[in-house]
Amino acid sequence: KNEVEQSPQNLTAQEGEFITINCSYSVGISALHWLQQHPGGGIVSLFMLSSGKKKHGRLIATINIQEKHSSLHITASHPRDSAVYICAVSPDDSGGGADGLTFGKGTHLIIQP
Amino acid sequence: GAVVSQHPSRVICKSGTSVKIECRSLDFQATTMFWYRQFPKQSLMLMATSNEGSKATYEQGVEKDKFLINHASLTLSTLTVTSAHPEDSSFYICSARDLQRWWEQYFGPGTRLTVT
Repeated sequence: KNEVEQSPQNLTAQEGEFITINCSYSVGISALHWLQQHPGGGIVSLFMLSSGKKKHGRLIATINIQEKHSSLHITASHPRDSAVYICAVSPDDSGGGADGLTFGKGTHLIIQP
Repeated sequence: GAVVSQHPSRVICKSGTSVKIECRSLDFQATTMFWYRQFPKQSLMLMATSNEGSKATYEQGVEKDKFLINHASLTLSTLTVTSAHPEDSSFYICSARDLQRWWEQYFGPGTRLTVT
């Protein structure tokens, strides 16, 4: 079973700072997801990566398959970015299969004005 | 974009009663839906995988007779918590896999269950 570790667990930063959240996993995967969970609990999928880098607005996600590591970056952070960010992985044998995700414990991010 | 709805968003029930939670894919077909549970301050945990027209596959430690899953159509899966106990109080989230884009999972907004 894949072990997914996130760091840091908690992060408080000032508005405008560059934010980095890290995720590492123990077993090969087919894809890695970055999710955002707001206080009400709803989850939004931010990125799905299988290699390289993706960018959407102020969010950037990278993955290094060889090192089994991914990072989520937030540029010019804003208080509305405050949320829990969760890394989740799909097992390596997804290929049309039906396996659920394995989740990290999440990073609780607070951006102060 | 793909939308998944859950109903109800919040429910309070008494011990011993049953509660049904619905998960619907609104604008796509989902042969597979997943049910997750999240206890306070803990990560999401997969409970079961629901495949349209067949029996659900449950993760180890999840009682299939207690958490009944039905996936009768390509757009609807239901989770019924039977004989609910206070320890079943949790946040339940479903996700759906698009038939056409199998690599994507779209999450519902979740259902907060409180058993008194």
